[in-house]
Amino acid sequence: KQEVTQIPAALSVPEGENLVLNCSFTDSAIYNLQWFRQDPGKGLTSLLLIQSSQREQTSGRLNASLDKSSGRSTLYIAASQPGDSATYLCAVIGGADGLTFGKGTHLIIQP
Amino acid sequence: EPEVTQTPSHQVTQMGQEVILRCVPISNHLYFYWYRQILGQKVEFLVSFYNNEISEKSEIFDDQFSVERPDGSNFTLKIRSTKLEDSAMYFCASQGRRFSGNTIYFGEGSWLTVV
Repeated sequence: KQEVTQIPAALSVPEGENLVLNCSFTDSAIYNLQWFRQDPGKGLTSLLLIQSSQREQTSGRLNASLDKSSGRSTLYIAASQPGDSATYLCAVIGGADGLTFGKGTHLIIQP
Repeated sequence: EPEVTQTPSHQVTQMGQEVILRCVPISNHLYFYWYRQILGQKVEFLVSFYNNEISEKSEIFDDQFSVERPDGSNFTLKIRSTKLEDSAMYFCASQGRRFSGNTIYFGEGSWLTVV
């Protein structure tokens, strides 16, 4: 059974810093990995999707990498801003239909 | 950007009552999902739906749950006899095609409180 772990569980950094969020998964037989953002009490906003054949994807200040063989992904946020404060979720999809989610990293950017 | 819409945003119901949560997926998408998130816990897969039938369901999706697509646009989740432990945020999601790099888009969620 696929398990997804995200480290750290929480992170608080000053505005302007670059930061890295980590995600690991136990079964490397995945099709896609998606990073989401969740604001308190809100839905999930898709940030980046990486296909299993890809190594990284970039969108603005966000860069996600994937090392499928080692079961790891990182989300890099450059020049963090207070508006980046949210919970970041990593999810993978393999042979089964459903996404398997990690518990998330709760990020606070201090002004 | 296209979006998945869900109603109601919040519902309070008494234990034992039936609840229907509604979703309008993105119009040209073919795959539909329901997920739930109990407060403070992980988002969990409930069921996937394709071609007017359930494609896959998790062990959470027992006989008290059902899904249907009554018309060409709505996708519903029915909980037949609600229990306290059904209190959660329920998310609908849709996807154009399975796998092949297609993003899964989520709605804003329906927060269900069972009292």
